[in-house]
Amino acid sequence: DIVMTQSPDSLAVSLGERATINCKSSQSVLYTSNNKNYLAWYQQKPGQPPKLLIYWTSTREYGVPDRFSGSGSGTDFTLTISSLQAEDVAVYYCQQYYNSPWTFGQGTKVEIK
Amino acid sequence: QVQLRESGPRLVKPSETLSLTCSISDSSISNYYWSWIRQPPGKGLEYIGYISYSGSANYSPSLKSRVTISLDTSKNQFSLRLSSVTAADTAVYYCAGRGQFFQYWGQGTLVTVSS
Repeated sequence: DIVMTQSPDSLAVSLGERATINCKSSQSVLYTSNNKNYLAWYQQKPGQPPKLLIYWTSTREYGVPDRFSGSGSGTDFTLTISSLQAEDVAVYYCQQYYNSPWTFGQGTKVEIK
Repeated sequence: QVQLRESGPRLVKPSETLSLTCSISDSSISNYYWSWIRQPPGKGLEYIGYISYSGSANYSPSLKSRVTISLDTSKNQFSLRLSSVTAADTAVYYCAGRGQFFQYWGQGTLVTVSS
């Protein structure tokens, strides 16, 4: 199985400041034949199901604010919230879908400082 | 907007079989792949498996010996069966849809394994 490791486990950021979450995979999730990284990001608020934010590393799901962006390739990926809003308090998960079983990172909790 | 809703017993006895159904609204079951994911209380997400519109299933190796996912196209539903459950199977179970990543999610249902 591909192991997904996120860092940090939690972070506190001031409103309007940048939040950066890292995700590292135990093997590359880049499919060279189409040059796509099989990596998605989700946001989960308390008592709610996860919500898809980004797929193919950097494609925002419809309706997701553009303050959310994804980047990276191979084994190292980043989710950036450019200007943290109060409604962004949540746990964020990365997920690889390069190899079955699809696997998730352990989650990163984002709070307001 | 595709809507998913999980249903089934919330309490299951150890060694018995957990059975859940996911009802799909505003989409044909033939459009996407359909998955089950679970989340133990206070913990992270675990992929259980998916079934394609053709009925081909894929399961997590760690659960494969105990899991069956099936389709009922006439009812626009898909189901999860997990046998020989233990307390470690206590979790919120989510059904989800689209493909290898999960665009649509049900609200989740907490299933507790206890005697």
